[in-house]
Amino acid sequence: SYVLTQPPSVSVAPGKTARITCGGNNIGSKSVHWYQQKPGQAPVLVIYYDSDRPSGIPERFSGSNSGNTATLTISRVEAGDEADYYCQVWEGVFGGGTKLTVL
Amino acid sequence: EVQLVQSGAEVKKPGESLKISCKGSGYSFTSYWIGWVRQMPGKGLEWMGIIYPGDSDTRYSPSFQGQVTISADKSISTAYLQWSSLKASDTAMYYCARLPPDSGFIDYWGQGTLVTVSS
Repeated sequence: SYVLTQPPSVSVAPGKTARITCGGNNIGSKSVHWYQQKPGQAPVLVIYYDSDRPSGIPERFSGSNSGNTATLTISRVEAGDEADYYCQVWEGVFGGGTKLTVL
Repeated sequence: EVQLVQSGAEVKKPGESLKISCKGSGYSFTSYWIGWVRQMPGKGLEWMGIIYPGDSDTRYSPSFQGQVTISADKSISTAYLQWSSLKASDTAMYYCARLPPDSGFIDYWGQGTLVTVSS
């Protein structure tokens, strides 16, 4: 089955840029979606089809996908962005999740 | 407003059966897939399977095939996740979620149902 690999944790200072990667074999040929999950809450879609943002998601959230790596980029990180982030592809596979810590 | 409202928390013993529900409202229930996602305590998201209420087309993740049953009653806009014999390892939060047709992504999530299996 298809495997998505994410770093367990990423740390970033407020106001800086966070990049969370999602690795998979030739993932650039697939559509990648990203979810944010805060403690005690259901996940929320933040990026779909590699780089599209749902309404209500700040422009600070962006995505890219090429080769064997998809990337979620969060610019001008805020304390409220601290959460777990998961990538997902159509085959019903989630990455293991990345905990974003805002220092 | 699109809403997915799940049934309440459950505490069960090993070997018991269980059926939890997810009621959709604010959209055409038969025109979107409903998926179920497991999250074990302190762990990540796991895709269990999806159902298209319009025709009951159901697809299971290999890890969950034969372990659970996904169904839907379109007359009451409700999807279900069912176990015939629970195990302690089924203890988890279970989310239902909506997937737009031909999309592959989840645009709305239920609030989650916590299932605790303990003797």
